[in-house]
Amino acid sequence: EIVMTQSPATLSVSPGESVTLSCRASQSVSSNLAWYQQKPGQAPRLLIYDASTRATGIPARFSGSGSGTEFILTITSLQSEDFGVYYCQQFRDWPAFGQGTKLEIK
Amino acid sequence: QVQLVQSGAEVKKPGASVRLSCKASGYTFTSHSMHWVRQAPGQRLEWMGWINTRNGNTKYSQKFQGRVSITSDTSATTAYMDLSSLRSEDTAVYYCVRSRLLLAYYFDLWGRGTLVTVSS
Repeated sequence: EIVMTQSPATLSVSPGESVTLSCRASQSVSSNLAWYQQKPGQAPRLLIYDASTRATGIPARFSGSGSGTEFILTITSLQSEDFGVYYCQQFRDWPAFGQGTKLEIK
Repeated sequence: QVQLVQSGAEVKKPGASVRLSCKASGYTFTSHSMHWVRQAPGQRLEWMGWINTRNGNTKYSQKFQGRVSITSDTSATTAYMDLSSLRSEDTAVYYCVRSRLLLAYYFDLWGRGTLVTVSS
């Protein structure tokens, strides 16, 4: 079983700033990684798949990188609608999600 | 409109079973597989299993093996998830989710979720 670990648990950031969120896999998942955003009371939304490909309609300020066991989601020029919880998910094996990083407004 | 419409909230007693439905519309049902993911309060998202909507093959997480069954009705473009022997730890929001590709395991369309509460 592949375990996904995200850091930090919480991030407080001001609008306009940039952030990086980390995701680590317990074993290599190659580039089989996706990122999702979830807002309170809503279902998650796919942001990135194959580690670095933006999903349809996702703004260019979201970018993903990494392969193997270490992955990064970068968000530049944070906007108010970007705050929420971000999850990574590997699909090298049966799907497994990280515990999430909560992005808060400072 | 491309969407997944899930059935309404359920309240069940321990030991009971629940059947959830997920009606797909706006796309070719058999071009994407359907998965079920749940989220217990304060917990991470948890994958339960999936169905290949083209041939009906299924695969389940080991954690739920023997308790879960996923089926689909292509004529009704609807997927179903049955979960038996419910316990309090099964209290969660259950999402049906569409894979981006038939044999992909990441999800580009989510239902709004169905809250299942298990309580005596």
